[in-house]
Formats: sequence, C-alpha cells, structure tokens
Amino acid sequence: GAVVSQHPSRVICKSGTSVKIECRSLDFQATTMFWYRQFPKQSLMLMATSNEGSKATYEQGVEKDKFLINHASLTLSTLTVTSAHPEDSSFYICSARSIQAPNTEAFFGQGTRLTVV
Amino acid sequence: AQSVTQLDSQVPVFEEAPVELRCNYSSSVSVYLFWYVQYPNQGLQLLLKYLSGSTLVKGINGFEAEFNKSQTSFHLRKPSVHISDTAEYFCAVSEFSQFYFGTGTSLTVIP
Repeated sequence: GAVVSQHPSRVICKSGTSVKIECRSLDFQATTMFWYRQFPKQSLMLMATSNEGSKATYEQGVEKDKFLINHASLTLSTLTVTSAHPEDSSFYICSARSIQAPNTEAFFGQGTRLTVV
Repeated sequence: AQSVTQLDSQVPVFEEAPVELRCNYSSSVSVYLFWYVQYPNQGLQLLLKYLSGSTLVKGINGFEAEFNKSQTSFHLRKPSVHISDTAEYFCAVSEFSQFYFGTGTSLTVIP
C-alpha cells in the first residue's frame, strides 16, 4: 500500500524556537496533504489542507503565521511551528491523498510528538 | 458538512469475546467510509474501507464492517478479539474530497 513518511517522530525544542516537520509520500504523488493535531485521548483536529504549488487552507482558529505550511512538490509537505511555546506541545499527524484516487482513502504518516520545554 | 458519531468513547471487552464499535454519519449522499486504528504514539492505519459494491467489507486483523445506507451506519465488528487489538479506533467519512473523523473509540481488551 501507499506509504507516507513523517519525520521526525519525536522532537523536543526550547520555547521560542521553530520546528519543522516533514511529510513525504514515498510511492505515490499526493494531490492534497492534510495536517492534523491530536490532543491526548481525543480525535484528530484538522489544522490545514495544502495543495501542491498553492497556499494552504487553514481551519478556523489555526494561526497561519504560527503554523507555516509549504507544499513544494507532489511528494513533500512541511509544517513549521514558529516560535513554539509549551501549549504547542502535541501530536501532529499528516496525511496524503493520491492523485489517482483523490476522493477515497487518505494515507497517514506515523505522527510527530512535539514537546516544547 | 458531515458529522461522524462514535457513540462509545470506551469499550472494554474480554479476550476472545466479540466486539462491535458503532459509527453513524449524517448524510449518505455519495460518501466513502473508513475505519482506522491508532496504536499509542503512532499514526493511523487503515483497517477497512467501503467505496461501493457489497455492503459487508472485510479488513485486516479479522475486522469487518457493514454499510447500512438507511441507518447511515458503518459499524465495525470482530468475532473474537485479542489483546493486541487494544487501541484507538476512528471512523471516517469522505465526502466531496473532505475527510471527517469521529471522536474515536478506545477499545481495551481484558485478559
């Protein structure tokens, strides 16, 4: 099946620094990539949707200047948490949908556990 | 917009017993349905999906689900659970290229 690789799986950073998370589709081209945030024991909260070569669409309440999303190619999207604070600590997950089947299943990365100290 | 309801937030079940995790969604107009499993500190893994055709779909790890259009449901079942099935399960609906998740059901298998 299709594989989405997310890196890093865990990161600890100091408050005020920026962290970049990468999401790659390894064996397919992704027309759309999604970024989610998940709090403990809760469902996934969609943060933004990104399409290759265009600006990401952010969900209401998500600060676009804080969570920078770049979708530079059909296989790579990045999420940068700028000036991170402890409240940004969370589990971030990306997913991607294939160009061949854009309306069907989404493939998920392994997630990134971000801890801001 | 779609809403996906998983009524049971936690389901404890004894090992080798059957289990059903319930999922209801708000609209049946041209939707695709999915069940994902999430193990601690990991991403989501697809268990099974309904796109079209037979309403009973079989997935990995012995799970199956039945699409019921009239009841707008897509309940997940397994006849005999194992300890390794302990995880979080998410029902999801895809409509017009948007993906909607339920709030999740935490399945705990008791030895």
